[in-house]
Amino acid sequence: GQQVMQIPQYQHVQEGEDFTTYCNSSTTLSNIQWYKQRPGGHPVFLIQLVKSGEVKKQKRLTFQFGEAKKNSSLHITATQTTDVGTYFCAGRSIGGGATNKLIFGTGTLLAVQP
Amino acid sequence: DGGITQSPKYLFRKEGQNVTLSCEQNLNHDAMYWYRQDPGQGLRLIYYSQIVNDFQKGDIAEGYSVSREKKESFPLTVTSAQKNPTAFYLCASSTAGGSPIYEQYFGPGTRLTVT
Repeated sequence: GQQVMQIPQYQHVQEGEDFTTYCNSSTTLSNIQWYKQRPGGHPVFLIQLVKSGEVKKQKRLTFQFGEAKKNSSLHITATQTTDVGTYFCAGRSIGGGATNKLIFGTGTLLAVQP
Repeated sequence: DGGITQSPKYLFRKEGQNVTLSCEQNLNHDAMYWYRQDPGQGLRLIYYSQIVNDFQKGDIAEGYSVSREKKESFPLTVTSAQKNPTAFYLCASSTAGGSPIYEQYFGPGTRLTVT
């Protein structure tokens, strides 16, 4: 079945350092979404990418969708302690039919040391 | 105030008992989902529903059951057949297919412990 893997599983950085998490799907995706889950909280939607090669920015966060629509990345510039949490990518398979069912990645836990 | 509510936040049960987790939304969303999250792992889909009175199995439906009698409500029953029920359960909702952006809105979750 379809799988979505993320690397790394865990990253510990000093405040001010950059951070990147990578997301790889076993199948081609129609789009990809990114969510953030704070410790003890629930996932919150960050962004959706649809087009091949698309790049979107939200302040210090940069999101990319690969040309083949099978991979994506999230880059955070100059991390802050408020960035702490687990970042998930979630994709909808091109063969997913009319549903909005998403396959979530395994997640990357970001720890930021002040 | 629109959103998704799940209750209770923490639930403790003895092995062999069925338990029902509540999920209610007032976002007027057609689609609702149940996920299971284990420590250090991603979200795995248990069941989802695109419309009232219809639902589909996700990747790990064994030992679980759902109903969708009302648009606002999608309760999940964890049955005694579920071998490892202790987990964090998240309910979500979204618009149905056809919308340009269909982000999923999550409830606060229920942490179930079975001993």
